Amino acid sequence: DAGVIQSPRHEVTEMGQEVTLRCKPISGHDYLFWYRQTMMRGLELLIYFNNNVPIDDSGMPEDRFSAKMPNASFSTLKIQPSEPRDSAVYFCASSGTAFTNEKLFFGSGTQLSVL
Amino acid sequence: DAKTTQPTSMDCAEGRAANLPCNHSTISGNEYVYWYRQIHSQGPQYIIHGLKNNETNEMASLIITEDRKSSTLILPHATLRDTAVYYCIAAYSGGGADGLTFGKGTHLIIQP
Repeated sequence: DAGVIQSPRHEVTEMGQEVTLRCKPISGHDYLFWYRQTMMRGLELLIYFNNNVPIDDSGMPEDRFSAKMPNASFSTLKIQPSEPRDSAVYFCASSGTAFTNEKLFFGSGTQLSVL
Repeated sequence: DAKTTQPTSMDCAEGRAANLPCNHSTISGNEYVYWYRQIHSQGPQYIIHGLKNNETNEMASLIITEDRKSSTLILPHATLRDTAVYYCIAAYSGGGADGLTFGKGTHLIIQP
């Protein structure tokens, strides 16, 4: 398996623009997580899905952020409108079934810079 | 999940064993100790986890004290590629069902 795949690897945009980050989890995994990492706040869990259904979005910073998982092999994290303080590395992770959920597998992340 | 405390940074000579400590004095009986590491510009990577007994895999060994209030991750023969931030996490599950909370971790620097 190729692991968790995220795109783009780097994104540079201007304040006010819409940004869409993409994630393809490991095939067969039931859980998908979106994390954000900054120097100040470290790794923060934003939202996670189980079988394509959002379970907990309490970590989503504000209404400008939204996440979807239309099917088991694809998820998006959208920021609209983007702001400079959204600059961070965004990671997607997935894990297996409820009975094999011992660990998280992370993607390589998307480095987002909002100018 | 119980709070963990780790040193901010550590150095280790290449080829030597790297011993990374973690304190989790408030850990409950059914909380596991998980270790992840994050190499620069990459996503965190699972290393090992344990409950009570010592554990070993191809990456590392995990030594948990009998009272479970602390643990040590051991990289037996550190290489330059082991330079990374190492996270110790106490959790009821691997986070696969509800995510994991990452702290600041220990920045391990392997010196040539």
